[in-house]
Amino acid sequence: NAGVTQTPKFQVLKTGQSMTLQCAQDMNHNSMYWYRQDPGMGLRLIYYSASEGTTDKGEVPNGYNVSRLNKREFSLRLESAAPSQTSVYFCASSEGLAGAGYFGAGTRLSVL
Amino acid sequence: AQSVTQPDIHITVSEGASLELRCNYSYGATPYLFWYVQSPGQGLQLLLKYFSGDTLVQGIKGFEAEFKRSQSSFNLRKPSVHWSDAAEYFCAVGSPYGNKLVFGAGTILRVKS
Repeated sequence: NAGVTQTPKFQVLKTGQSMTLQCAQDMNHNSMYWYRQDPGMGLRLIYYSASEGTTDKGEVPNGYNVSRLNKREFSLRLESAAPSQTSVYFCASSEGLAGAGYFGAGTRLSVL
Repeated sequence: AQSVTQPDIHITVSEGASLELRCNYSYGATPYLFWYVQSPGQGLQLLLKYFSGDTLVQGIKGFEAEFKRSQSSFNLRKPSVHWSDAAEYFCAVGSPYGNKLVFGAGTILRVKS
């Protein structure tokens, strides 16, 4: 039972490079989320998808784009990475919009 | 706007001692409340959640939390802490009508033997 799977686990980018973080869930959840975690700040929502085909901005969307490819997959793209995007990124999914119950193991991203 | 305060950044308890982690929230109506645990290098695991009904909620790993509307609190408790409970704990608040969780900054629990 995999739950929520994120790839890659680690990534180092140079300023200005682009990359896509992948997320897949096997629990048939409708809602999926991308959070970033920074020391002393808890988790902040970047984007979410209430259902297949819909996406909405969260608290800190600037510099990011998302794609809900199908019900299982929700990707996060950094078009031009900046050092301020150095963080740990978590994907999550839930049965509804009321909360994110299940988290992936995270992607540790460093932007130099 | 919703907000969550976890007043304690670090807490150290002895193995076998009781534990209480504090969480205060700000929300205009009855919130959805959650506690998560995060071990180093891992994602967050849901410990328990409160949506409605009984204000004392039982979770996994022997944890419980009590919703107190008058105090806007949702404190996490465990009667006897084990060394494996050492981790970071996050309280979060959501809305029945909303679309996101707001997380507290977290409390790091250290367990001494």
